[in-house]
Amino acid sequence: AQSVAQPEDQVNVAEGNPLTVKCTYSVSGNPYLFWYVQYPNRGLQFLLKYITGDNLVKGSYGFEAEFNKSQTSFHLKKPSALVSDSALYFCAVRVIGNTGFQKLVFGTGTRLLVSP
Amino acid sequence: EAQVTQNPRYLITVTGKKLTVTCSQNMNHEYMSWYRQDPGLGLRQIYYSMNVEVTDKGDVPEGYKVSRKEKRNFPLILESPSPNQTSLYFCASSLVGNNSPLHFGNGTRLTVT
Repeated sequence: AQSVAQPEDQVNVAEGNPLTVKCTYSVSGNPYLFWYVQYPNRGLQFLLKYITGDNLVKGSYGFEAEFNKSQTSFHLKKPSALVSDSALYFCAVRVIGNTGFQKLVFGTGTRLLVSP
Repeated sequence: EAQVTQNPRYLITVTGKKLTVTCSQNMNHEYMSWYRQDPGLGLRQIYYSMNVEVTDKGDVPEGYKVSRKEKRNFPLILESPSPNQTSLYFCASSLVGNNSPLHFGNGTRLTVT
């Protein structure tokens, strides 16, 4: 089955330190990958996507993600974490559903906790 | 302001009492979808719609119905809710194609007792 996996339920990092939230994918063909963030009591917000081209993708709020084909990974990164980055992060992959229409399949989410 | 609006935000109901969660978007998006979010399971797609009068099942459609009579509205209907439908529900919309990102509503937390 085509899917993404987020191996960490929670990531803890101190403010000012770099952060990484991990995601691996399993798809046939070229992957189309996304990161979304969910703040408390809010819906998911789009951060960035990888379609093709450069392996390092830059997104909103200073986040970036590195696509690694050999490791089938798409880790989310930020050079210097902020307390306000504390949220739930979802990796997603575009797949073709049974009816031939594309849809997003989400990972189980990783909670990022940035301490002051 | 471009947005997806869900109502209500919170709903507590009893088993078997029909309910509808409304969803409306003002971005003229063709594609709309309903997800449920459960701890440890992430988001799972319930139903989606590619345009008016075009709907199809997602991964967990049992116990739910949808309709798409107008482009902006995509209500989720639970004809006979059961406790296993207690969850956090999200409506989302996007343009079709070009890997357009999904825009999400703020969610509806449903409790079925």
